[in-house]
Parts: sequence; C-alpha cells; structure tokens
Amino acid sequence: EIEMTQSPVTLSVSPGERATLSCRASQSISNNLAWYQQKPGQAPRLLIYGASTRATGIPVRFSGSGSGTEFTLTISSLQSEDFAVYYCQQYNNRPPLSFGGGTKVEIK
Amino acid sequence: QVQLVESGGGVVQPGGSLRLSCVGSGFAFSSYGMHWVRQAPGKGLEWVAFIRYDGSSKYFADSVKGRFTISRDNSRSTLYLQMISLRTEDTAVYYCAPMAAVGTIDFWGQGTLVTVSS
Repeated sequence: EIEMTQSPVTLSVSPGERATLSCRASQSISNNLAWYQQKPGQAPRLLIYGASTRATGIPVRFSGSGSGTEFTLTISSLQSEDFAVYYCQQYNNRPPLSFGGGTKVEIK
Repeated sequence: QVQLVESGGGVVQPGGSLRLSCVGSGFAFSSYGMHWVRQAPGKGLEWVAFIRYDGSSKYFADSVKGRFTISRDNSRSTLYLQMISLRTEDTAVYYCAPMAAVGTIDFWGQGTLVTVSS
C-alpha cells in the first residue's frame, strides 16, 4: 500500500501571502495525485488532479506541481475562504486509495 | 446535478452492526465504481471500501476487512455498507463517492455519522 505524508501539519499564513504545502508518496505514483480542500462541517472538494490540473471552477491562485514521489500545492495569495484543511490523495494504485494526513492552513 | 445521500448512521454499541445506504442521482450510477471513505472526529480521510460498477470486484481497507461488506443495487441507484463487529475506532462520518474515470473523487455526499460507544 502506498503511504502519503503531508507537511507541515499546520501552516500559519497571513491573508495575501503565499502558502506552500508538501506531499510525499512512499513510492512513485507518476502524476496520479489529487488535492482536496475541506472546511469544517463540509465534505472535501477536489482542487487539483493529475498533480497540476485545476478542477472545474477552482481559482487560478491554486496550483499544483511535482511527479514521482514529491508534490506541492501552492496558494499564491491566500484569501479568507482558503483557510481550511488540505489533503493529498494518490490514485496510481487504485483501489486502494490513500490520503495524506492533511495540512491545516490557519490565519497567522 | 450530482447528489449523494447517505443514511443509516447512528449510535451502536461495540460489537454491534449497522448498515449504511447511499442513494445517488444526477449521474449514471450503474456506470461508476463507488467508494466509501470515512473520517473520524477531528481526523483525516480514510478510504474504506470500493466496489466496481457491476459489483464484480470489491476491495477493503485492512482495518475493516472481514467485518465490512460493500454491495450495490443498480436498479435502485443505491450503495450499501454492511458493518459488523463494530469497534470504537470505527466511529466516523462515512461518505460515499463515485470514482471518476481518472481515479479522483469529484463528488461527495454530506456523510452519515456512525458512533460506536457503550
């Protein structure tokens, strides 16, 4: 089973600043990686798939990069609605799916 | 629009059983493999089980293997999760979700809460 590790666990950022989130896979997953955003009391929302392709309706301030085992989600200029928990998920070997433990982006 | 409505959650004692249901609409339910994903209170997402579109193959996380069964009724656009021998660590919100062709989860239900407690 592929393990996904996210860092940091918590990221404190001021509105308008850039946020950089990392995700590492225990083995190569090519570019079969997705990022999700989850706000309290809500289901997750797909942001990025294929490591770098924004899902429908996702603002351009969200961008993804990486391949193999190292991936990054960048939020270029944090808006108030972006403070949330972010999960990466591999779908290279599916099923099973596997998710990272999440990164909470909080207001500094 | 795509809708997924989970039901069947509740409070159950350790060792008990529960069956969750998920009704899908707004998409060709019978053409999609379906997942169950859960989230313990204050914790991250954990994949639980998957069933192919026609029910021919089923997969389970090691944490639930032998205790949970996944099934579907395409004539009713309904997905099920039968859970037995429940443990306190099974306490979570359970989401159903179709698997997109590329492998992501594009749509989620609102989830149903299962609480295992004495």
